[in-house]
Amino acid sequence: QQQVKQSPQSLIVQKGGISIINCAYENTAFDYFPWYQQFPGKGPALLIAIRPDVSEKKEGRFTISFNKSAKQFSLHIMDSQPGDSATYFCAAHFPNAGGTSYGKLTFGQGTILTVHP
Amino acid sequence: DTGVSQDPRHKITKRGQNVTFRCDPISEHNRLYWYRQTLGQGPEFLTYFQNEAQLEKSRLLSDRFSAERPKGSFSTLEIQRTEQGDSAMYLCASSFGRTPRDGYTFGSGTRLTVV
Repeated sequence: QQQVKQSPQSLIVQKGGISIINCAYENTAFDYFPWYQQFPGKGPALLIAIRPDVSEKKEGRFTISFNKSAKQFSLHIMDSQPGDSATYFCAAHFPNAGGTSYGKLTFGQGTILTVHP
Repeated sequence: DTGVSQDPRHKITKRGQNVTFRCDPISEHNRLYWYRQTLGQGPEFLTYFQNEAQLEKSRLLSDRFSAERPKGSFSTLEIQRTEQGDSAMYLCASSFGRTPRDGYTFGSGTRLTVV
């Protein structure tokens, strides 16, 4: 019920290309959807995030597209660069019952992105 | 450095030994989270503190695991009688508010290997 499913597991893109990573969720109570970027030996770092009442959010080369009716959201990386090579995780925040929030995140399985020069 | 600090970065231990990890959150953050990340998977929530109170524990946190946050500052995560299945990256995160929008920051983690 609180799972977030992410695809593909790995992605290889040429420099300058578009990288697209997809996520799907079941629980409509999720109220916040961040994407994290993780380099080897480091913790995840917030990349971009969206609320479910917004269909698209763009920050520089990174765009989240959100389809509430399909319960899907995706990350698009435009003009992909070798420095973007990392593991990307989608996540979702589930507010506790009663309107409280512990800030607990549920993560997807991750996508290893490799951008070739 | 004003980020979330975790110590040690790496720990190798023999099965059956106890280990303890430390997390120092960003100083003004009152919320602290522990996650576990196994190879090829996303982080999984373990537990959450608001100040010194532990408010939620995942079912992943067996009775061999205990976490504390005395005085609402740093936190420790102890694993007793370690098993090979405990091998993972243990991540700490902190935030200043009640939602992930509020400065939610991860540390670089402690990688545990149980041999």
